Amino acid sequence: EADIYQTPRYLVIGTGKKITLECSQTMGHDKMYWYQQDPGMELHLIHYSYGVNSTEKGDLSSESTVSRIRTEHFPLTLESARPSHTSQYLCASSEPGPSYNEQFFGPGTRLTVL
Amino acid sequence: AQRVTQPEKLLSVFKGAPVELKCNYSYSGSPELFWYVQYSRQRLQLLLRHISRESIKGFTADLNKGETSFHLKKPFAQEEDSAMYYCALSAASGSRLTFGEGTQLTVNP
Repeated sequence: EADIYQTPRYLVIGTGKKITLECSQTMGHDKMYWYQQDPGMELHLIHYSYGVNSTEKGDLSSESTVSRIRTEHFPLTLESARPSHTSQYLCASSEPGPSYNEQFFGPGTRLTVL
Repeated sequence: AQRVTQPEKLLSVFKGAPVELKCNYSYSGSPELFWYVQYSRQRLQLLLRHISRESIKGFTADLNKGETSFHLKKPFAQEEDSAMYYCALSAASGSRLTFGEGTQLTVNP
């Protein structure tokens, strides 16, 4: 079944640790996105990719990095986690071309940095 | 730069009452507008888009270019409508979305 997956769903980690949040989609989409969502607040786009080997920074400055080596995989990495990184991270994907830009979202990863 | 504003963080109505979630935007060109919804413990998902001019789950939204608004309306709210609603704007077809701050709608019995 076509879907978008995120692992882990929940992560509690200590300050200074390196972490990677996984995102994979089996929808055949070229475009993928990472958003940061704090409780009751807007979604902030932190990274996006329009295809393999293409990554761009989003509207909100983030210390995280991303890679896009395979079409279906778009992992996000924090080299040294800090309490300010505590948030919900949502991954999304959408079709290429002149579509109506519907984005399909994963279930999210809730990150807590102690 | 484009911006989306949802002036109400929280909105509470009774079942059967009309509901309107406000959305205003700023963008100099011709935007595409969307409403996304996140029900409790579910994923964020598209509710409707202005270009299709459709009604989904009884909700409608009309793009008012003069007032730069895209308010979401439903004549008779249901308890299952309780959710977080996000208005979003795309500057051009296929480009990135800019989301508003979201409105938490609660429909009371």
